[in-house]
Amino acid sequence: AQSVTQPDIHITVSEGASLELRCNYSYGATPYLFWYVQSPGQGLQLLLKYFSGDTLVQGIKGFEAEFKRSQSSFNLRKPSVHWSDAAEYFCAVGPQTGANNLFFGTGTRLTVIP
Amino acid sequence: DAGVTQSPTHLIKTRGQHVTLRCSPISGHKSVSWYQQVLGQGPQFIFQYYEKEERGRGNFPDRFSARQFPNYSSELNVNALLLGDSALYLCASTLLSSYNEQFFGPGTRLTVL
Repeated sequence: AQSVTQPDIHITVSEGASLELRCNYSYGATPYLFWYVQSPGQGLQLLLKYFSGDTLVQGIKGFEAEFKRSQSSFNLRKPSVHWSDAAEYFCAVGPQTGANNLFFGTGTRLTVIP
Repeated sequence: DAGVTQSPTHLIKTRGQHVTLRCSPISGHKSVSWYQQVLGQGPQFIFQYYEKEERGRGNFPDRFSARQFPNYSSELNVNALLLGDSALYLCASTLLSSYNEQFFGPGTRLTVL
């Protein structure tokens, strides 16, 4: 069965500090991997995706993520957080073939303090 | 270019009623997927439609149905509403049927009283 685990429900960081959001997944085959961000009352915006190739992927807004197959992880990082990064972050996995259905984690809420 | 649009933005219904939610994909995108996001949870996949045919269905009861029109817009219908159907309903569009990046709309907030 497919599952995505985001172990941190809520993280608080100071502006300018580094950030790492954890994501572990369980999937029958090699999935595609994604990080989305959701601001209050908004839809989801794609930050970055991993399909294949280089396991360190760069995304928008200065985010990056590293795929570690041996650990079934896809952690999101940012070297210096800005106040505008405060939002809900979702990790998701999807199949490489077949229906276009994504499985999402429960999300990590990021609070940024000045 | 317009992104994915959804209507209405907000909706309040009572238990037992029926609701129709609408989605227009990005121009040129032929696939639409629907997701339910309950407060405090991640989105859950409901349906995918491509070229007017259902290509995937999540673990939702038959009260949930959808269809896609020749212009690739889509409707999600929910019958016999329950309190637990209160959620943000998200629509996502994709260029093709198989995996491509999904672009999400702002969602429709449904409240069932």
